[in-house]
Amino acid sequence: EVQLVESGGSVVRPGRSLRLSCAASGFTFDDYGMSWVRQAPGKGLEWVSGISGNGHITGYVDSVKGRFTVSRDNAKSSLYLQMDSLRVEDTALYYCARSLSFYHDHWGQGTLVTVSS
Amino acid sequence: DIQMTQSPASVSASVGDRVTITCRASQSISSWLAWYQQKPGKVPNLLIYAASTLQSGVPPRFSGSGSGTDFTLTISSLEPEDFATYYCQQAISFPLTFGGGTKVEIK
Repeated sequence: EVQLVESGGSVVRPGRSLRLSCAASGFTFDDYGMSWVRQAPGKGLEWVSGISGNGHITGYVDSVKGRFTVSRDNAKSSLYLQMDSLRVEDTALYYCARSLSFYHDHWGQGTLVTVSS
Repeated sequence: DIQMTQSPASVSASVGDRVTITCRASQSISSWLAWYQQKPGKVPNLLIYAASTLQSGVPPRFSGSGSGTDFTLTISSLEPEDFATYYCQQAISFPLTFGGGTKVEIK
């Protein structure tokens, strides 16, 4: 059974940093790309970042470029999102999602990031 | 970036109704389109990918069509469990982008 478990969400002040993690199991991790998708309270889905199976290709939404960094450790079947210079508008539930040809077929339950002064 | 525009934003329908949701891309995305269903407080669920391919386990009352810039999701006969919000997503290029969502509500 495919499982994706996010962790690392917290309440932080604007300008601070946070690192999200996603532990994957139940599939061959490096066969799949992975994405981070967020959902602000009461809002729609927003893709944040993605990474290919071998980690060589990454992408970001414009609003996080230069502030967020996606990475993966295939030996640990883990995905990460380093979030720096956090803004109030980054407040959201952050989902980790498995990506096959950039279609997201499995999602974690999400981890909540709240940026507030 | 490719913009995805869904319509309508919401639709009220009854059990048994046929419902059609439209998604338009700001430029051609060939058939690189997915549809997701999200129920309140739940995780999104992939329904359709490659514009018209039904994900394993998804009931056949769901269907997708279209290519280029115009796409549709059709629910042939609405069931009680289908009341949810539906999102389209282009998968042709980074940044991936979602439509704004269509909420299917009970009439």
